Amino acid sequence: DLTQPPSVSVSPGQTARITCSGDALPNQYAYWYQQKPGQAPVMVIYKDSERPSGIPERFSGSRSGTTVTLTISGVQAEDEADYYCQSPDTSGAYELFGGGTMLTVL
Amino acid sequence: EVQLVESGGGLVKPGGSLTLSCEASGLTFRNAWMRWVRQAPGKGLEWVGRIKSGSDLGADYAAPLKGRFTISRDDSKNTVYLQMDSLTTDDTAVYYCSTISDPDYWGQGILVTVSS
Repeated sequence: DLTQPPSVSVSPGQTARITCSGDALPNQYAYWYQQKPGQAPVMVIYKDSERPSGIPERFSGSRSGTTVTLTISGVQAEDEADYYCQSPDTSGAYELFGGGTMLTVL
Repeated sequence: EVQLVESGGGLVKPGGSLTLSCEASGLTFRNAWMRWVRQAPGKGLEWVGRIKSGSDLGADYAAPLKGRFTISRDDSKNTVYLQMDSLTTDDTAVYYCSTISDPDYWGQGILVTVSS
């Protein structure tokens, strides 16, 4: 399983940090998705810390042990969304999603 | 530009079956690993399963769904399928197909409603 906080709230311009923890994480890459209401998920971070083309530089990823973190620096109103971490399980045969974190921009 | 378009969703009665299709364009489909993910109303993302490419066309499934769901592909049609049997109301969800790649690409999703 991958565990995320259900919600995170920040004011515009502040830094949001969303964590994801799981036993498989030390041995597998982590991926992060942003999902806005009524839309398909969009990958914002792959392989722990790589940012796809078109994703703003304020999105970054890091890891420490069994926890990975999505950091959004200088949060903007448009960043309000649900965020999901994802990773293969320890065997690599399955993929896991975290329960999701609702980011609220106050 | 990579595009994935799901089709085949709709209303089905409990115990029934349904097959979803996902047609891909803008990529070399025969080399692409593909996955299905679903999202029940108001809930989070749930991994359904994946199918590999090339000579190893095996599929893997989420444990609770194994035996009821089958993923297949037709590379001549650039299409991946999700066959769902013995459906229950718990299978009501938006179903997404996506590539397994860095970065990946997702379809717009298609709604499956299981209701009597």
